[in-house]
Amino acid sequence: EIVLTQSPGTLSLSPGERATLSCRASQSVSSSSLAWYQQKPGQAPRLLIYAASTRSTGIPDRFSGSGSGTDFTLTISRLEPEDFAVYYCHQYGSSLVHFGQGTKLEIK
Amino acid sequence: EVQLLESGGGLVQPGGSLRLSCAASGFTFRSYAMSWVRQAPGEGLEWVSAISGSAGTTYYADSVKGRFTISRDNFKNMLYLQMNGLRAEDTAVYYCAKVVSEFWSGPTDYWGQGTLVTVSS
Repeated sequence: EIVLTQSPGTLSLSPGERATLSCRASQSVSSSSLAWYQQKPGQAPRLLIYAASTRSTGIPDRFSGSGSGTDFTLTISRLEPEDFAVYYCHQYGSSLVHFGQGTKLEIK
Repeated sequence: EVQLLESGGGLVQPGGSLRLSCAASGFTFRSYAMSWVRQAPGEGLEWVSAISGSAGTTYYADSVKGRFTISRDNFKNMLYLQMNGLRAEDTAVYYCAKVVSEFWSGPTDYWGQGTLVTVSS
């Protein structure tokens, strides 16, 4: 079973700063099988990135994804007030589906 | 506009059963796989189950295998989750989500607002 570990657990930054969120897999994951979601309190998750680096429809270009193998990164280039939320990575593919435990991005 | 509307949640005793439904609209339902994802109070996301567009293949998390059954009616544009043998640890908000392709395993680009299932005596 693949385990996804996200770090840090909580990230405290200010608007305008750059955010770097990490997702590490316990075994190699296909780059075409890694997604990122954003979830705000009381709301359903929203797909940001799939296939490690492809932005979903309507997602601003300040969001970018990268990585391969076991290490993946979600970068938010310049934080906007609406970006403070919880972010989850998600591995899918031919085996079972897994989510990371989440990174909370909070206002400093 | 894609819309997913879950229903059927509520309070149930341990060992009991519940059937969740998800009404889909705004897309060609039969062409996309669908998933159920749950979130326990204050916790992260947990994938529960998925079904291919044709309903030919279904998959389950180990935590629900043998207790939960996913199904769909492509004529009614409905997704279902039959939950039997419910346990306290099944307490969560259950989301219905659309997969980006017909294949059962993939990113989910649309989500419902969720329905709360509480398992307690």
